[in-house]
Amino acid sequence: SQQGEEDPQALSIQEGENATMNCSYKTSINNLQWYRQNSGRGLVHLILIRSNEREKHSGRLRVTLDTSKKSSSLLITASRAADTASYFCATVRSGTYSGAGSYQLTFGKGTKLSVIP
Amino acid sequence: DTGVSQNPRHKITKRGQNVTFRCDPISEHNRLYWYRQTLGQGPEFLTYFQNEAQLEKSRLLSDRFSAERPKGSFSTLEIQRTEQGDSAMYLCASSLWDTNTEAFFGQGTRLTVV
Repeated sequence: SQQGEEDPQALSIQEGENATMNCSYKTSINNLQWYRQNSGRGLVHLILIRSNEREKHSGRLRVTLDTSKKSSSLLITASRAADTASYFCATVRSGTYSGAGSYQLTFGKGTKLSVIP
Repeated sequence: DTGVSQNPRHKITKRGQNVTFRCDPISEHNRLYWYRQTLGQGPEFLTYFQNEAQLEKSRLLSDRFSAERPKGSFSTLEIQRTEQGDSAMYLCASSLWDTNTEAFFGQGTRLTVV
């Protein structure tokens, strides 16, 4: 089953504008990660935020995490046409470890971002 | 080493046939994962290896699916008696041991069952 829910499902903006995508999840997490996927390709990791962190930056990306609301947001500033892709949040649940360690990324359905030149 | 490699990239098969996919992870990564993705959906977890040990299997992984990772290096995913519902992108990913680390994905194998 998919834990995360991204919002909106689709977003269309002009080049240069900022894009904000939200993610909600259901269970306690160890960390939350954002990935990008260009059409028909594999996923590329963008940023990881741990459960004890509230905000993280990487280049034009800014991620926030609110564990009390079980939600995260991804902000892409000064968007470019090359940012056109689907964006997924993925969570690693806490308390799922057993034996040698259990690790499972659970993805949402994604936000499809279109940046118009 | 240029990343996670998956072969083949595309596979078209007739219903009822068996198919096998291969994944070569990044060499120093001891964790390897298989995911399945259908159109408009996010990847769904299938199974996970820590070295050669298969530690988790999703309920999505019916008895027609089997995965192996002999010697803790490359992995294979076999689907027996394929059904049209198996048509999807099959993604492989690998990572280091640390839970707070990113997963690196391959380009995927797109399976079409006709």
